[in-house]
Amino acid sequence: AQSVSQHNHHVILSEAASLELGCNYSYGGTVNLFWYVQYPGQHLQLLLKYFSGDPLVKGIKGFEAEFIKSKFSFNLRKPSVQWSDTAEYFCAVEGSSNTGKLIFGQGTTLQVKP
Amino acid sequence: DADVTQTPRNRITKTGKRIMLECSQTKGHDRMYWYRQDPGLGLRLIYYSFDVKDINKGEISDGYSVSRQAQAKFSLSLESAIPNQTALYFCATSDPRQGNTQYFGPGTRLTVL
Repeated sequence: AQSVSQHNHHVILSEAASLELGCNYSYGGTVNLFWYVQYPGQHLQLLLKYFSGDPLVKGIKGFEAEFIKSKFSFNLRKPSVQWSDTAEYFCAVEGSSNTGKLIFGQGTTLQVKP
Repeated sequence: DADVTQTPRNRITKTGKRIMLECSQTKGHDRMYWYRQDPGLGLRLIYYSFDVKDINKGEISDGYSVSRQAQAKFSLSLESAIPNQTALYFCATSDPRQGNTQYFGPGTRLTVL
């Protein structure tokens, strides 16, 4: 069965620190990969996505993620976090392309201290 | 995203009651989804619908049913609510012509006492 694992459940950083959130998935075929963000009290919003092509994808608000096929990973990065990045971050995978079915990771809560 | 709305936003009910959560969208998407979010578990798919006549069970459909009344409306029902159905419920839509990126509603917080 497909699964998605986010290794960091709760991350606390100071402003301007660099961020890397891990995401690994288990699926042998072609995948589409997503990072969603949920700000406090709000619904999920798409940060970035990877379907094909350049494995380094850039999203909104200075976030980027790198797809490493050999490691089944899609880690999220940001060089310098801001207090406003405090949120919960979800990695998601769509296997067997175009099914529309997403498998989500458990989520990582990021707390940025001013 | 205001294009996907959910009602009610909050609901407290008692064990055994029938509850319906509604989702409407103005994005014109054919595909709609219902998820539940639990702390530490992320989002899990309950049901999904690729069009009005195509409804499929997701990962955790037991205890739930759905109705796709129209392209724009997808309702989730709990026939007899139980406390472990207390969760945050999200509706989402997608369009395969746009890479199936899912757009989420604001969520319904359901508490079953």
